[in-house]
Amino acid sequence: QKEVEQNSGPLSVPEGAIASLNCTYSDRGSQSFFWYRQYSGKSPELIMFIYSNGDKEDGRFTAQLNKASQYVSLLIRDSQPSDSATYLCAVYDSGTYKYIFGTGTRLKVLA
Amino acid sequence: GAVVSQHPSWVICKSGTSVKIECRSLDFQATTMFWYRQFPKQSLMLMATSNEGSKATYEQGVEKDKFLINHASLTLSTLTVTSAHPEDSSFYICSARIDPNFSTDTQYFGPGTRLTVL
Repeated sequence: QKEVEQNSGPLSVPEGAIASLNCTYSDRGSQSFFWYRQYSGKSPELIMFIYSNGDKEDGRFTAQLNKASQYVSLLIRDSQPSDSATYLCAVYDSGTYKYIFGTGTRLKVLA
Repeated sequence: GAVVSQHPSWVICKSGTSVKIECRSLDFQATTMFWYRQFPKQSLMLMATSNEGSKATYEQGVEKDKFLINHASLTLSTLTVTSAHPEDSSFYICSARIDPNFSTDTQYFGPGTRLTVL
């Protein structure tokens, strides 16, 4: 069974610090990776997607992909209290045409 | 772009009634839509995959006769919870996958529908 694993947290960081969220996946053939943010009581919101090895930056967010080690991470620079949420890592399974989600990491940014 | 809407955003119904939830992709065509359910403090659970013009594919353990899915057009999928019971109370979220011909397979989520069955 293909799996995506995340530390459930909570991960607590002080305001202004860098938050580092990690995700590992089991299917070596995976090609598409996504990070979603979910506030309590709300639906997931896409933050970034990444397909190629290396870093992809978008504002304060940087996604990092290492296919050889089968991990993908999300860095949040200058963390703000409004970043406090659960961050979901998802991998697209082209064999089943579905997305496999991790259980999410809860991030707390302390003011 | 890539906006997905859901209606209603919340619904309260009596046990035994049926509830229909609509999911629309507003500014793109979605050949595939997904229906998820999420209980409080739990992970997203995929219920079914809905493909335009064909029958939905249900995940193991999801009753297809209880959760009726129709994907009649490239922008609309509906989920009907038939004979709802209190244990069906949950947060139902749809997502739509952008047509892969546009070189991306990203899915975008609707805002969700909170169902409470009394």
